[in-house]
Amino acid sequence: DIQMTQSPSTLSASVGDRVTITCRASQSISSWLAWYQQKPGKAPKLLIYKASSLESGVPSRFSGSGSGTEFTLTISSLQPDDFATYYCQQYNSYSLTFGGGTKVEIK
Amino acid sequence: QVQLVQSGAEVEKPGASVKVSCKASGYTFTSYGISWVRQAPGQGLEWMGWISAYNGNTNYAQKLQARVTMTTDTSTSTAYMELRSLRSDDTAVYYCAKSLPTESGWYFDYWGQGTLVTVSS
Repeated sequence: DIQMTQSPSTLSASVGDRVTITCRASQSISSWLAWYQQKPGKAPKLLIYKASSLESGVPSRFSGSGSGTEFTLTISSLQPDDFATYYCQQYNSYSLTFGGGTKVEIK
Repeated sequence: QVQLVQSGAEVEKPGASVKVSCKASGYTFTSYGISWVRQAPGQGLEWMGWISAYNGNTNYAQKLQARVTMTTDTSTSTAYMELRSLRSDDTAVYYCAKSLPTESGWYFDYWGQGTLVTVSS
């Protein structure tokens, strides 16, 4: 299986900060990567697909980039609603895998 | 609007089986597959497998292949996931997710609310 490694595992930030989360794949996955946001007790929510395509209805402060083995999720100006855990997911193969998650906490 | 509504929480003993349902609405059920993803307490997300709602084809995670069965009932737009020979480390919230197909796999645009399965003697 393709291993997905996210960093950092926890991130402390303030409202208005620019935040970047990294996801690395153990082998090339082209652009077959999605990002999800999960809040406590809730199901994940799709933010980004195909590495950089913004899901409909997701605020434009979220953006994704990268290809091959290295990807980033950027929140341009952190808002109170953005404190959550973020997961990447590769779909380059029919054996799907997620990253371990990055928790964005209030500083 | 698209909705996936899952069955309620379950408590099972080790060695037993559990079957979780996921009723879809707001889209043509047979046009998209359903994946199941689980999350152990305080842990990350683990993909369990996928089923085509069109023809019932399945693709299971190798780790669970021997113990999991996914099915659908197109007459009620419901997907099911059965996990057998339950162990304590199967304790988790189980999610169904509408799966968008690509050239090489799936990603998930709508999720159920989750079903907590607790395995305890």
